[in-house]
This record gives sequence, structure tokens and C-alpha cells, in this order.
Amino acid sequence: AQSVTQLDSQVPVFEEAPVELRCNYSSSVSVYLFWYVQYPNQGLQLLLKYLSGSTLVESINGFEAEFNKSQTSFHLRKPSVHISDTAEYFCAVSLYGGSQGNLIFGKGTKLSVKP
Amino acid sequence: DVKVTQSSRYLVKRTGEKVFLECVQDMDHENMFWYRQDPGLGLRLIYFSYDVKMKEKGDIPEGYSVSREKKERFSLILESASTNQTSMYLCASSPPEGQLQPQHFGDGTRLSIL
Repeated sequence: AQSVTQLDSQVPVFEEAPVELRCNYSSSVSVYLFWYVQYPNQGLQLLLKYLSGSTLVESINGFEAEFNKSQTSFHLRKPSVHISDTAEYFCAVSLYGGSQGNLIFGKGTKLSVKP
Repeated sequence: DVKVTQSSRYLVKRTGEKVFLECVQDMDHENMFWYRQDPGLGLRLIYFSYDVKMKEKGDIPEGYSVSREKKERFSLILESASTNQTSMYLCASSPPEGQLQPQHFGDGTRLSIL
């Protein structure tokens, strides 16, 4: 069975520090990979996705994630965080040929950026 | 821009009541999903639908049912609400090539069962 593991439930960092949110997945078939962000009292928004091609993908607000097939990882990074990045981040996978794009989510990582 | 609208942000109901959570999307998406979100458990899929009048069970369908009479609307029904159904409920939609297109989420309904 497929699964997604987010190794850290909470990550506190200071403003302008770098951050890495870790995500590992387990699957016997190829997958598509996503990071979603949930700001307080809102639904989830897509942050970035890996479908194919370059293993490094970037978002418009400075986050990036790298697909590492050998380590089955898709860690999310940002070189310098802002207070406004405080949110919960979810890693998700969708299976090649899976039905209707069902997503399997990790349990989430709460990023708390302190001044 | 895709808009997924959930009818209530907050809802308080009593044990044993029949509860309806409504979700409407405005992008003509074929796929619609209901999740519940609980602290430390992430999102768990309750039901999804890939067409009008079609539905499939997700990971935790027990105690829930769904209805999709129109393409834009997907309703989640708690047949007889119980306190362990207190949770945040999220609706999402996506086009048919779902693996390649992201799911779009509503803002959620925080449901409390007393």
C-alpha cells in the first residue's frame, strides 16, 4: 500500500532562517508528488507539484522541492522564511494510472516562523 | 479562478441528528472529494465522485453517505451524527485528468457534534 510520511509534525524557525520540511513516500508504482499549504482557517492550496522532467520544482513564493527517486523523498525547502509562511504544509502523492487522481496525504507539518 | 464553496464555515449539531454538508464548485469539474481533517492525522478521504450520480468509498466511509445529483454540487450526509464525527470537513474538486491537475479545496466546515 502507498503511504506518505512527513517526519516532523512541527517545525519552529526564526524569520529569515532556512527551512526544510521532509517528506518520504512508499509506493510500488510511479507517483506524482504535490505540496499543499494550509493557512489558518483556510482550505488547502497547491504550492508546487512534480509530474515529470526536472526533479527540482519551484513555487512562486520562493519554496522549492526536489524529487529524489532513489530515496523516495520530496523535501520542501526555502532559503529564507517570512512570518507569512506560518502555515501547515501537506505532502501528497497521486499514483500513475490511479483512479481520478486520488491523493494520499501525509499528516502535515506545522511551520511556525518567529520574529 | 476555481471556486469551491462550502455552505457553512462552522456548524453545531446534536448527537443523532441528520447533518448535511454542502459543496459547490464553479469550474465544471468531474471529480469531487470529501475529506475530514483531524489534528495529527492529516486528511482522510471519506468519499469521492467522478461523475453525476457516481460515488466511490474512500478510506473512512463509515457513518457517512454522499449525494451528487448535479455536476457542480456534492453533498456529505451524516446519517446519525455522533461525537466522534466532530472534525473539520474539506471538499475538493478536480478535472478528469486528476493525476495531472491539482485538487482545488474549499475553506472547510468545522463541525461540532454535541
